[in-house]
Amino acid sequence: AQTVTQSQPEMSVQEAETVTLSCTYDTSENNYYLFWYKQPPSRQMILVIRQEAYKQQNATENRFSVNFQKAAKSFSLKISDSQLGDTAMYFCAFMKHEGSQGNLIFGKGTKLSVKP
Amino acid sequence: NAGVMQNPRHLVRRRGQEARLRCSPMKGHSHVYWYRQLPEEGLKFMVYLQKENIIDESGMPKERFSAEFPKEGPSILRIQQVVRGDSAAYFCASSPSGGYQPQHFGDGTRLSIL
Repeated sequence: AQTVTQSQPEMSVQEAETVTLSCTYDTSENNYYLFWYKQPPSRQMILVIRQEAYKQQNATENRFSVNFQKAAKSFSLKISDSQLGDTAMYFCAFMKHEGSQGNLIFGKGTKLSVKP
Repeated sequence: NAGVMQNPRHLVRRRGQEARLRCSPMKGHSHVYWYRQLPEEGLKFMVYLQKENIIDESGMPKERFSAEFPKEGPSILRIQQVVRGDSAAYFCASSPSGGYQPQHFGDGTRLSIL
């Protein structure tokens, strides 16, 4: 069974600084997808960024980028130029490429606080 | 284009009552997923449905829980004879098709059991 581990329950960063959130996963699959979701205090789940395992190039979305290390099964999220609105829970998630394709497996989350 | 709509936003039930949670997917989406989030935890997959079909219910408790997505109307997650342990936030997500399609989430329903 697949598992997703986020080893940092809480982190904080100063506004305008850069922060990296860690995520590791365990799977025997070769093809899969990885996601980072953001959950602000409003509780809405917002997709931040996604990565296909078969793509070597790291995904980027504006200030958000990932460092995908397939061999190490690591998928960290880097937030550059942190903003107060980035304060939220961040969840790393895994999805198999085939089979039960609706099944997102989430980590327990990292609570990020951006300080002015 | 309206997002995924869940209602009610908050639901309070007494032990033994039934809870019905509704989810209307985004326009054009025919795949619905239900997740449960316990306090201080990540989301846990419960069930994946298409119109009139349950595709994967491997995360659903064997008793008291059921889900449907009829041809017309919203998807319903039904919990019978609720217990304190059912208190959680229940999220619905939708996608236009299965496979690799980003799932768009609703705001969730927070269920509290007295």
